[in-house]
Parts: sequence; C-alpha cells; structure tokens
Amino acid sequence: DVKVTQSSRYLVKRTGEKVFLECVQDMDHENMFWYRQDPGLGLRLIYFSYDVKMKEKGDIPEGYSVSREKKERFSLILESASTNQTSMYLCASSFAGTNQPQHFGDGTRLSIL
Amino acid sequence: EDQVTQSPEALRLQEGESSSLNCSYTVSGLRGLFWYRQDPGKGPEFLFTLYSAGEEKEKERLKATLTKKESFLHITAPKPEDSATYLCAVQAGNQFYFGTGTSLTVIP
Repeated sequence: DVKVTQSSRYLVKRTGEKVFLECVQDMDHENMFWYRQDPGLGLRLIYFSYDVKMKEKGDIPEGYSVSREKKERFSLILESASTNQTSMYLCASSFAGTNQPQHFGDGTRLSIL
Repeated sequence: EDQVTQSPEALRLQEGESSSLNCSYTVSGLRGLFWYRQDPGKGPEFLFTLYSAGEEKEKERLKATLTKKESFLHITAPKPEDSATYLCAVQAGNQFYFGTGTSLTVIP
C-alpha cells in the first residue's frame, strides 16, 4: 500500500514564525504536491514537484516555498506565518504520466495565532 | 476554462436507499478521472481511476462510470459507514482539477 506520511497532524504557531511542514512517501513516486483545503473552497494547489530539486508554482504559491532535496521527501515552508494561512494542509504523491492517481497523507491542521 | 463541478453538494440517504453522485468536467485532453473518499479530519483516500468513455469500475457498494462530459458514482444499498465526502478530480495535461465534493450522510 502507498504510504504518504505528514510529520504532524496538528500544529499551532504564532504570526511571523517560519513554519516547516514535512512529507515523506515510500512508493518511489516522481511527483509530489502540496495543497491546502478550506471549507467551501476545496483543494487548492500550492506547489508541486516532478523531480528532485524541481518545483512548479500552483494556484496559490504566495507566502509559501518548497524544498525537494530527496525523491521521497517534500517540504512546505511558510516564510512568515500569517493568520490567513490557518488551514488543513495535504501532501500527495503520484507516478508521472497519464491516469496516475495522487495518494494523500492524512493532513496537518495548522493554526496560526 | 477547465473546471470540475460536483453535485449535489450534500446528500442524505436512508440506509439501503441507492443514489448517484455526479461529477461534470470541462477540460481539454482528459488524461484521467479519479474518485476519492474523504472522512472528517483525514486526507482523501483513492477509490477509482477512469480513463475512457464507457469505462466502469466497481468496489463493494460503489460503481463509477465515465462519459465524455461527466462521471457518476453510484452507491447501491448504502450503509452508515459509507458516510463521507466524495471528491472527483480530473487530470488534463500535467494539471489536476478537483471538485469541491459531495457530502454524503447515510442514516440508519
């Protein structure tokens, strides 16, 4: 079974802090993704990566950065956390190519106070 | 504009009452349609991949079908444990487009 592991289920941080969210997958997937999920807005793509050290902006990259130094690990960084970044953050991974589903972790519920 | 629309937003069924959820899409160059189940406080769990019009996939009480413009998730004789939000996603090129989901409640 595919396993996507996010480092924290719940996290509370203060405004202005630098926040790191970690994600690890064990299926040798080429692609990795970071989303945020908010009520009524659905899943919104922040960044994705199709290879080590490669990254592409998604729909809402402002205020975020990412790092992919190893194939299995994809990190999301909130450079200076703000209250409007309070959300559920979901990491996903997939093989490259057609008809390849994304597999998700259980999410990190992040609260910025 | 590429987009995915799911209906209804919410659905309440009596246990055993069969129904269908809809996912309509307008994308160019479909490379796959995916159904997920999401329980509260958890990440989406992959259910099905569909690729060609006319294709069908089944798993327990769920059956997914695909046409050129929409997909249906049929739920036969649902049980309370089928209560969840069901998400549809479409791959077009290297982009994935997610619907906002249908929240299903099955009442005993």
